[in-house]
Amino acid sequence: DAGVTQSPTHLIKTRGQQVTLRCSPKSGHDTVSWYQQALGQGPQFIFQYYEEEERQRGNFPDRFSGHQFPNYSSELNVNALLLGDSALYLCASSSDPTGFEQYFGPGTRLTVT
Amino acid sequence: AQSVTQPDIHITVSEGASLELRCNYSYGATPYLFWYVQSPGQGLQLLLKYFSGDTLVQGIKGFEAEFKRSQSSFNLRKPSVHWSDAAEYFCAVAPMEYGNKLVFGAGTILRVKS
Repeated sequence: DAGVTQSPTHLIKTRGQQVTLRCSPKSGHDTVSWYQQALGQGPQFIFQYYEEEERQRGNFPDRFSGHQFPNYSSELNVNALLLGDSALYLCASSSDPTGFEQYFGPGTRLTVT
Repeated sequence: AQSVTQPDIHITVSEGASLELRCNYSYGATPYLFWYVQSPGQGLQLLLKYFSGDTLVQGIKGFEAEFKRSQSSFNLRKPSVHWSDAAEYFCAVAPMEYGNKLVFGAGTILRVKS
């Protein structure tokens, strides 16, 4: 049973550029959440997608946007990258919006120079 | 302010010794509670969870946690630590009033000395 997968593993971008990160949820899961984990900190909730719609959003600017596809996979897009966007981006999946048990992928390490 | 607090940034224990990692939360209603472990360069693995019922919950890898409502705490314990337990441990809560998003503590880095 494949768990949550994310791509790419690592990414280096320049300030001002745009980036797209991808996530495939665990089999049988239909809800995807995204978290940002800065170095030395706990993950912070960005947003959650269910039925191709954003259901919840954390305290992140509009530069952060996402999408969920009919097969439940998801993308995280960040525009106008800032140095402070450098972090590990984690995707988590659960079985429905009330599914509190979330399973995390290995993350994408984004470095902004 | 509503938050999750892990008061210990680093903890070092000897292999074979017991372990307790502390976690306190401040939310109005009792949230759902979780402990995750993260090895270097890896994602988060769920160790255990508390939703309701028995306040002592068992998890994977020999870990257990006890929910104490009066202290708003959910401390993680292990009777005998192995060198492979060295990692960073995160307490997380899902506050009822905020849907099912997880709010994480800052983490505790566990070092195991032989």
